Amino acid sequence: AQTVTQSQPEMSVQEAETVTLSCTYDTSENNYYLFWYKQPPSRQMILVIRQEAYKQQNATENRFSVNFQKAAKSFSLKISDSQLGDTAMYFCAFMRIGAGNMLTFGGGTRLMVKP
Amino acid sequence: NAGVTQTPKFRVLKTGQSMTLLCAQDMNHEYMYWYRQDPGMGLRLIHYSVGEGTTAKGEVPDGYNVSRLKKKKQNFLLGLESAAPSQTSVYFCASSYRRGSLTYQPQHFGDGTRLSIL
Repeated sequence: AQTVTQSQPEMSVQEAETVTLSCTYDTSENNYYLFWYKQPPSRQMILVIRQEAYKQQNATENRFSVNFQKAAKSFSLKISDSQLGDTAMYFCAFMRIGAGNMLTFGGGTRLMVKP
Repeated sequence: NAGVTQTPKFRVLKTGQSMTLLCAQDMNHEYMYWYRQDPGMGLRLIHYSVGEGTTAKGEVPDGYNVSRLKKKKQNFLLGLESAAPSQTSVYFCASSYRRGSLTYQPQHFGDGTRLSIL
């Protein structure tokens, strides 16, 4: 079974600054996907970024980027130029390919962006 | 363009009552999922389906049943036969699909159903 650990329950950052959220996972699989989802107070689950394990290049989506370290089983999310709208819970998720492509979520990090 | 729609959005039940949560997606996705989210925690998979007429257990299936009928393959029902206070949670439905043999698409989520059991 896979496990996903987010060691930072809460974080805060000043508007316009950069913040990094940590995620580690445990798996014996070689092919898998990793995701970061954002959950604002509205409760929606919004995909932020995804990474395929077979790709060495780190994924980037506008102000969001990841640092994927496969050997260390680490998948951190960097948010640059933080905006007030980034305030939300952030969940790291692991997807094993095959068998329904289920997601295993971490416990989440609550991020507060301060003006 | 509705995406994934969950019905109802909020419900209060008494212990022992039964109810069914409906998930409907209009994207013709083959995979569908039911998760629960307890306060301060990530989502946990209850049951899932990889196609019409098929269902399988996830991480926390006890106390729940699911149905994905062949005639209404874009619907995925989650049933609670005898609700218990421990099932108070927010329930999310999600769907996804596979493009080609190796490319898997991220799951699209509904807005959730808040269920309280007294």
